Amino acid sequence: GAVVSQHPSWVICKSGTSVKIECRSLDFQATTMFWYRQFPKQSLMLMATSNEGSKATYEQGVEKDKFLINHASLTLSTLTVTSAHPEDSSFYICSASGADFYNEQFFGPGTRLTVL
Amino acid sequence: GQQVMQIPQYQHVQEGEDFTTYCNSSTTLSNIQWYKQRPGGHPVFLIQLVKSGEVKKQKRLTFQFGEAKKNSSLHITATQTTDVGTYFCAGAETSGSRLTFGEGTQLTVNP
Repeated sequence: GAVVSQHPSWVICKSGTSVKIECRSLDFQATTMFWYRQFPKQSLMLMATSNEGSKATYEQGVEKDKFLINHASLTLSTLTVTSAHPEDSSFYICSASGADFYNEQFFGPGTRLTVL
Repeated sequence: GQQVMQIPQYQHVQEGEDFTTYCNSSTTLSNIQWYKQRPGGHPVFLIQLVKSGEVKKQKRLTFQFGEAKKNSSLHITATQTTDVGTYFCAGAETSGSRLTFGEGTQLTVNP
C-alpha cells in the first residue's frame, strides 16, 4: 500500500523560532500533498494544498507567510512554521494523493508541535 | 463555502450493539470518503463512494451515499472493541479537489 511518512513526529520549540516538518511519500509519486491541522478532539482543518513544482494554495484564514509550504519533488513536501507562538501548538498532518489512487488520500502519522 | 456536518459527535455503545454515523453536505458532492482515526493515531482511509445511491460493504461496515449525493452514512453491525475511534466523512465537490472533513463521530465500545 501507499505509505506516507512525517518527520519529526513531535517537536517542542521556544516561541519565536521556526520549525520545519517534512512529509514524504515512500512508495508512490505524490502529485498533490495536503497539510492539515487538528486540535484535540476536533476535526481536520485543511491549511493548504500543494502540487509538485507550483505554489501552494492556502485556505482562507491561513497565513501563507507564516506557514511556508514547499513541494519541490513528487515525494517530498515541507511545512515551515515561522516565528512559532504558543497558539500554533497543534497536531499537523500531511496527506498525499497520486495519479494511481483515484482521489484517495494517504495520511502521514502527524507531527505534534508544542511551542513554549 | 462548502460545509460537511456529521452527527452524532459522540456515541457510546455496548459491544455487540450497532452504530451509525451520518454525514450531510451543504453542496452536492462528487465523491465522499470515510476515514477512521484511532486514539493518538492518524486518519486511515476506509472507503470512497462515487455513485448516487451507492452502497458498499466491508465486513461489518456498510457505507451509503445518498441519491442526491449530499449525504452519507456509515453503519457498523455488532460493534467490537476494535471499532473504537473517530470516524470522519470527507466530501469533495469535484473529482480530485480538496476534501472537507466532517467533525467526526467518536465511538467508544464498552466490552
